[in-house]
Amino acid sequence: AQSVTQLDSHVSVSEGTPVLLRCNYSSSYSPSLFWYVQHPNKGLQLLLKYTSAATLVKGINGFEAEFKKSETSFHLTKPSAHMSDAAEYFCVVSDLRDSSYKLIFGSGTRLLVRP
Amino acid sequence: ETGVTQSPTHLIKTRGQQVTLRCSSQSGHNTVSWYQQALGQGPQFIFQYYREEENGRGNFPPRFSGLQFPNYSSELNVNALELDDSALYLCASSVQGVALGYTFGSGTRLTVV
Repeated sequence: AQSVTQLDSHVSVSEGTPVLLRCNYSSSYSPSLFWYVQHPNKGLQLLLKYTSAATLVKGINGFEAEFKKSETSFHLTKPSAHMSDAAEYFCVVSDLRDSSYKLIFGSGTRLLVRP
Repeated sequence: ETGVTQSPTHLIKTRGQQVTLRCSSQSGHNTVSWYQQALGQGPQFIFQYYREEENGRGNFPPRFSGLQFPNYSSELNVNALELDDSALYLCASSVQGVALGYTFGSGTRLTVV
């Protein structure tokens, strides 16, 4: 079975400092991995996705993530946090062998950005 | 191009009642998936509909059921509501066979009292 573990339930950073949100995955097959963001009272927005191409994936709003098979990790980073980045972030895995391509979400990391 | 629209946005029901949630898929999308997001947790897959039939189901009891219509819109029905059904219900549309292209709606917040 596939799963993802988000290692921090809350992360607090100052505006302008780097962001690191950690995610480990478990998969018996080559996974497809994603990061989604959820702002209050809004739907989920895709930040970036890994699908076995380049291991360093660039997404929207300056975010990027690196797939490390040896560490089974897919951490999300951003060089400089902005106040608008405050939101809930979800690491997600999908099994492309399953015809539904269902998404399996982690429990989420709430990012707080201090002025 | 319109996105995914869900209705209603908020709903309060009494334990034991039945509820129907609705979702209009994004233009060009033919598949709809439903997710349940309990407070403080990540969304969990309920089921998916393609060609008006269920195409995959998560670990939810049969009292959770759905429909997909010829225009690709969908309904989620929950019978015999329980307090633990209180959650944000998210709908996501996609194109079958095209991986990784989900568009999510803003969700319906269901409160069971």
